[in-house]
Amino acid sequence: ELKVEQNPLFLSMQEGKNYTIYCNYSTTSDRLYWYRQDPGKSLESLFVLLSNGAVKQEGRLMASLDTKARLSTLHITAAVHDLSATYFCAVDERTSGSRLTFGEGTQLTVNP
Amino acid sequence: DVKVTQSSRYLVKRTGEKVFLECVQDMDHENMFWYRQDPGLGLRLIYFSYDVKMKEKGDIPEGYSVSREKKERFSLILESASTNQTSMYLCASSSGPGYTFGSGTRLTVV
Repeated sequence: ELKVEQNPLFLSMQEGKNYTIYCNYSTTSDRLYWYRQDPGKSLESLFVLLSNGAVKQEGRLMASLDTKARLSTLHITAAVHDLSATYFCAVDERTSGSRLTFGEGTQLTVNP
Repeated sequence: DVKVTQSSRYLVKRTGEKVFLECVQDMDHENMFWYRQDPGLGLRLIYFSYDVKMKEKGDIPEGYSVSREKKERFSLILESASTNQTSMYLCASSSGPGYTFGSGTRLTVV
């Protein structure tokens, strides 16, 4: 059974600081997704990482994938208040068809 | 703009009622999914479908069933709603590596 673990689960940081959210998973996969969710809203797709070594950046967020270590990171650079949200990683194991297994989510609060 | 539409944003139902949550996608996607989201647990897969009239159990199927009579529509059915099924329900569809999520239905069972 695939397990996906994020840490930290709660993150409070100051504006202007850098931080990294980690996503570990338990079985082989080369498809890793990052989503953002604002309170009461649905999931917004941030990044889709489809191969070992993939790195994608959008604004202050950068995601990477190391399939050998079964690890993805979401790095936040110079955080701003607008980044406050819950961030989920999800893995598509693709063993018998595609389906996403999600981590618990990281609740990020960026304080002025 | 491609869409996954969930028919209700909020629902309040009584214990023991039969509840239908509807999901429609306009992208001609083969795959459709139902997840429930609870605080601290992330999203958990209830049921999914890779084709019309096909369904597969996810990680937490107990107390639920699904129906997929047409490619674009995937219904989640709570045969006899219970208070522990109070949750946010999210529908998704996919084709290839891209997944699209609906806006969610917040169901309260009283």
